[in-house]
Amino acid sequence: DIQLTQSPSSLSASVGDRVTITCRASQRISSYLNWYQQKPGKAPKLLIYAASSLQSGVPSRFSGSGSGTDFTLSISSLQPEDFATYYCQQTYNTPMYSFGQGTKLEIK
Amino acid sequence: QVRLVESGGGVVQPGGSLRLSCATSGFAFSNYAMHWVRQSPGKGLEWVASIRYDGGNKNHAESVKGRFIISRDNAKNTLYLEMSSLRAEDSAVYFCAKVGRIGELIFFDYWGQGTLVTVSS
Repeated sequence: DIQLTQSPSSLSASVGDRVTITCRASQRISSYLNWYQQKPGKAPKLLIYAASSLQSGVPSRFSGSGSGTDFTLSISSLQPEDFATYYCQQTYNTPMYSFGQGTKLEIK
Repeated sequence: QVRLVESGGGVVQPGGSLRLSCATSGFAFSNYAMHWVRQSPGKGLEWVASIRYDGGNKNHAESVKGRFIISRDNAKNTLYLEMSSLRAEDSAVYFCAKVGRIGELIFFDYWGQGTLVTVSS
């Protein structure tokens, strides 16, 4: 099984800050890595697929990078609506598409 | 527009059974693989099961293998999860998710709102 480890598990930041979340895979997964945003009581929402491709309708302040085992999600200038929990997901190990444990982004 | 609506959740005793449904609309259901993902209260996302577009190639997480069965009815545009021998640790919100695909690139582009399953005596 492929394990995904996100860091940090939680993060406090202010509106306007730039933040970066890291996801590390237990084995190489090429670019088969997606990022989701989840707000309390809601379903996850796809932000980034294939490590760096922005899903349609997602603001350009979100970006993703990485390949192999190390990946990052960056938010260039935090907006109030960005405070949520973020998950990475690998789709290399078909079809058991595991998730990272999540990173909770809170307002400082 | 694409809609996925789960139903069938509720409170069930340990050892009991439950059948979840995910009614879909707004896309060609029979062309897409579908998945179930669950989230225990205050916890992260856990992949549960997947099924190919034609109902073949079903896969289940080790934690539910032998107890849960994923299925679909393409004529009804509906996905199912048959759950039996339920345990307290199966308590969670269960989401259905549609697969999006660009070549070999896979992602979950649409999700339902989730249905809550509580296993308790």
